[in-house]
Amino acid sequence: DSGVTQTPKHLITATGQRVTLRCSPRSGDLSVYWYQQSLDQGLQFLIQYYNGEERAKGNILERFSAQQFPDLHSELNLSSLELGDSALYFCASSVGGKSYEQYFGPGTRLTVT
Amino acid sequence: GNSVTQMEGPVTLSEEAFLTINCTYTATGYPSLFWYVQYPGEGLQLLLKATKADDKGSNKGFEATYRKETTSFHLEKGSVQVSDSAVYFCALSDPVSNFGNEKLTFGTGTRLTIIP
Repeated sequence: DSGVTQTPKHLITATGQRVTLRCSPRSGDLSVYWYQQSLDQGLQFLIQYYNGEERAKGNILERFSAQQFPDLHSELNLSSLELGDSALYFCASSVGGKSYEQYFGPGTRLTVT
Repeated sequence: GNSVTQMEGPVTLSEEAFLTINCTYTATGYPSLFWYVQYPGEGLQLLLKATKADDKGSNKGFEATYRKETTSFHLEKGSVQVSDSAVYFCALSDPVSNFGNEKLTFGTGTRLTIIP
């Protein structure tokens, strides 16, 4: 158990819909990262927050957004969903700064039908 | 930009065989290097890491040495077990990042199956 929790574990929704994925980092970790794992793209970095502020953006679509709240949990919002958004979405956390170890949650499997 | 090239899979070995999974990287500066493992239906677990040249990371019988001259971080294990069956990812952290930005760049993953 990494200490990172993600909800829900599975999500099935229809095209055009909007969903919210939730992540709680390990106790004491200030950085939260979101990654997408799909068969064709592999593991791709989406976005990072550090202590409530956005720090880095990767291959994140404009239809996707995220935020980190004062209690440090994070939410990833996916809107206008398309079939190609079906993937595993992982959240990871780290202490931040020069600590490069990231601890991953179990993931949310999103299926868009 | 940064990139990680990983040995294509899948790899199938017999129990107690020697394992090598190749990983090479491209990065500016001196990245930290990682191996993550993903068991079926689970998230990624950090297996081992190395933060500077010639460092050797080790855990659970797995080892990898950070080779700056060959830009490599190959994963090895002397005697694999059925329980080692999983997908293995090589990754690097952005070495020229600003404070608080340590995103990981992953290889494509290598699926390892160990048969009894």
